[in-house]
Amino acid sequence: EVQLVESGGGLVQPGRSLKLSCAASGFTFSNYYMAWVRQAPKKGLEWVATISTSGSRTYYPDSVKGRFTISRDNAKSSLYLQMNSLKSEDTATYYCARHERFAYWGQGTLVTVSS
Amino acid sequence: DVVLTQTPPTLSATIGQSVSISCRSSQSLLHSNGNTYLHWLLQRPGQSPQLLIYLVSRLESGVPNRFSGSGSGTDFTLKISGVEAEDLGVYYCVQGTHAPDTFGAGTKLELK
Repeated sequence: EVQLVESGGGLVQPGRSLKLSCAASGFTFSNYYMAWVRQAPKKGLEWVATISTSGSRTYYPDSVKGRFTISRDNAKSSLYLQMNSLKSEDTATYYCARHERFAYWGQGTLVTVSS
Repeated sequence: DVVLTQTPPTLSATIGQSVSISCRSSQSLLHSNGNTYLHWLLQRPGQSPQLLIYLVSRLESGVPNRFSGSGSGTDFTLKISGVEAEDLGVYYCVQGTHAPDTFGAGTKLELK
C-alpha cells in the first residue's frame, strides 16, 4: 500500500525557516517525480515544487522561488521541503504527492506563519 | 502558466441526480506525445485530495464507475451519474501537460 506521511509543520514567525519531511513507502520511491502542493485555509490547491527522480531537476512557482528548496533522499525514500524567509501568505497545509497524475497524497502538515 | 477555469463554482444536487463539472483550459492540453494530462481530484471535507479520473477519461482503480470524464483540447467535463452522499466535497481539475502543473479553483458539490 502506498503511503506518504508528512511531518515538520508547526507555528513559525515571519522570516524564519522550517523544513518539512515526507516519508514514502509502498512503492519504488526513486522511480517517481515527487511534488509538494499546499492549501491555504479555505482555499484551493497550489503547486509548490516538483523534483525529478534523481533530484537533479527542480521546479518552483514564482511565489516560492528562491525561498523554498525541494530535495529528496532516495536511499531513505524521503522527500523534503526547506522553507526560508517565511511569510504569512505561506500559511497552509502542505501535502506531498506522487507527481505522476497526483494519484497519491499524504495527510498534510499544517504550517502557520504568524508572530 | 495554463489557467484552468472550472464551472460552476458551487453545485447543489440531490441524491441520485446526475451532475457535470466543466474545466476549460487557456491552451490545448494535448501533449506532443499524444497524451492529454488532465486529471480530476476530489477532496472530501477534512481529507486529502484523491484521484478520480486521469488522462481525461481513465477511471482510477477503486473509483466507482458513476464517475466519468470526457473532453479534448481545451474543454473537459467530469460527470457523476447518480450522486451519492459520499461524493460531496470539492472537485479539482489539474493539468500536467504544460509546466508548471496548475489546478482549477475547484467546484464544491453540496446537497440541495
